[in-house]
Formats: sequence, C-alpha cells, structure tokens
Amino acid sequence: EAQVTQNPRYLITVTGKKLTVTCSQNMNHEYMSWYRQDPGLGLRQIYYSMNVEVTDKGDVPEGYKVSRKEKRNFPLILESPSPNQTSLYFCASSLSGDFGSPLHFGNGTRLTVT
Amino acid sequence: AQTVTQSQPEMSVQEAETVTLSCTYDTSENNYYLFWYKQPPSRQMILVIRQEAYKQQNATENRFSVNFQKAAKSFSLKISDSQLGDTAMYFCAFMKSITGNQFYFGTGTSLTVIP
Repeated sequence: EAQVTQNPRYLITVTGKKLTVTCSQNMNHEYMSWYRQDPGLGLRQIYYSMNVEVTDKGDVPEGYKVSRKEKRNFPLILESPSPNQTSLYFCASSLSGDFGSPLHFGNGTRLTVT
Repeated sequence: AQTVTQSQPEMSVQEAETVTLSCTYDTSENNYYLFWYKQPPSRQMILVIRQEAYKQQNATENRFSVNFQKAAKSFSLKISDSQLGDTAMYFCAFMKSITGNQFYFGTGTSLTVIP
C-alpha cells in the first residue's frame, strides 16, 4: 500500500531532551516536507526537500533540523525542544515539488513538550 | 508571499443538504494550483479536490465540486448531499505552478454534519 509512515503517533517529552520524528514514504516521491498544525493557524511548513541531500527552510524552521540521506526517509529533529513546539506535526510527500503534484500526508505526530 | 483565507471557522449542515465552504487567496502568480483537503477526527489529511488555475472548468469529484473564480481569487467548495462522514476540518491550499515547493494553507473550516 502506498503510504507515508510517521512515528511515533504521540510523544510527550521534557524541555531540552533531543527527539526525532521519523518519516518514510514508499512511493518513490522526490519531494518531502514537514508541517506543524496549530489551532487557528492552519498548517505551516517547517522544512522541505526537493530530492536527496537537498533541503530548504519553510516558513517556521527555527528550532528544527532535517536530513534527506535517502529518498524515502525525511526525519525531523528537535535538538532542544521547548514548550512552544508543542503541536501536531505532519510529514508529507509528492511526486515532485512542481506542477500541482498533490501532497500525501502521514498520520501525524502529536508532540507535547513540558 | 501567498496568503489563503478561510473566513468561516465553523459551519454546520443538515444531513443530505448542501453546504459551501469559502476560500480566498492572494497571489500575483498567473499559473497555480488550488486544493481542498479534509481532516476528519482521525486527523488524517485527505485530498478532496484539485483545481488548475489555467483551466476554466470547475473541478468535480462525486459530491464535491468547486466554484473557481480566478479574477476574484475565490475557490469555494460545495458539498452536496452531505453525509455524516463529511464531518471534518477542511483546509484550502495554494501551490505555485513552477518550483511549487511550498503549499500555503488556510486556517481551516470545521464542518459538522447534523443527523
């Protein structure tokens, strides 16, 4: 089944404790991205990647890191999480970043930082 | 920067009735794409419908159709014969045609279908 797999689904952590949210897609998509969803703000892009070893900042990149060493994986790293990073996170992929390729989303990760 | 506005935070509709969700956007681009995504309580983001700006014909997908008014920069979603399973948050999204890389999402409309 074609899908984007995110793990974990729920995560509770404390301020400053490094964490990684994994994302993997099995559709051979070139484009992958991370979003955070907050009430009243919709979805905002954190980072995106057009292909392996190519990443770029979105609208809200502060406090996050990403890497794209393999085409299928695009982990999101919070090296020192803070309470303002409590949010619902989505990984998404598309065939390419151009020409209206729709995004395919993972199931989301609910992160709570205390 | 592109902005997408959904002015209706919450809406409700009786089962089997028709409802229209509004979306406006601001861009200087001529070629772009517009999307509606549905997020049910399971929180999965599901593509509902996609519109290409250079196509004048409004996109339709079964009970879902759009009213795309390019000059007015308006992209509303019409849901006909509403079903309980349509209860969800609906997001409008904008994507540039070339080097799209960024999707711009509205703040969402929470739709409740009343039995």
